[in-house]
Amino acid sequence: AQKVTQAQTEISVVEKEDVTLDCVYETRDTTYYLFWYKQPPSGELVFLIRRNSFDEQNEISGRYSWNFQKSTSSFNFTITASQVVDSAVYFCALSEDISNFGNEKLTFGTGTRLTIIP
Amino acid sequence: DTEVTQTPKHLVMGMTNKKSLKCEQHMGHRAMYWYKQKAKKPPELMFVYSYEKLSINESVPSRFSPECPNSSLLNLHLHALQPEDSALYLCASSPRDRNYEQYFGPGTRLTVT
Repeated sequence: AQKVTQAQTEISVVEKEDVTLDCVYETRDTTYYLFWYKQPPSGELVFLIRRNSFDEQNEISGRYSWNFQKSTSSFNFTITASQVVDSAVYFCALSEDISNFGNEKLTFGTGTRLTIIP
Repeated sequence: DTEVTQTPKHLVMGMTNKKSLKCEQHMGHRAMYWYKQKAKKPPELMFVYSYEKLSINESVPSRFSPECPNSSLLNLHLHALQPEDSALYLCASSPRDRNYEQYFGPGTRLTVT
């Protein structure tokens, strides 16, 4: 069975500090996809990134960067120069193809609550 | 426009009421999802519709009844709910033939009294 572990339940950092959110996954599939979602207090999950298992290049998008390491089954997320608006719960997720229609079930981690202190 | 809308935003209902949640997307996505999220927990998948057909039911009690009238709309009919069904109900959609990221709506916060 697939599993996603986000060991950090809550993190607090002072504004402008860098912060890394850890994500470790387990899967038997050779092809899989990993995601990060942000859930601010308003409740809506915001898609941040999708990465497939064949693409191990790190990705940077503004202040966000992702480090995918297949050897350690990790897909960590770093926010550089954090801002108060980054305060949210962040979920790492792993996709699992469970139907003939190509639909995927997302296995979510338990989430990391990030608080940026002004 | 990556927008999924949900109505209502908040709903309070008694255990004998019948109500419906509505979800809409106009991105041409062919897969739509219902999730339930309890406080401080990750979302739990309830149903998946693909090309307007129910493709996945994660053993959800029959008091929750999904409906997909067309490719843009998804409803969740509620009847005889229990207080433990109080939660945030999230709708999501994803493209069928392209990337598989799911785009979520803002959710309906449901309270069952």
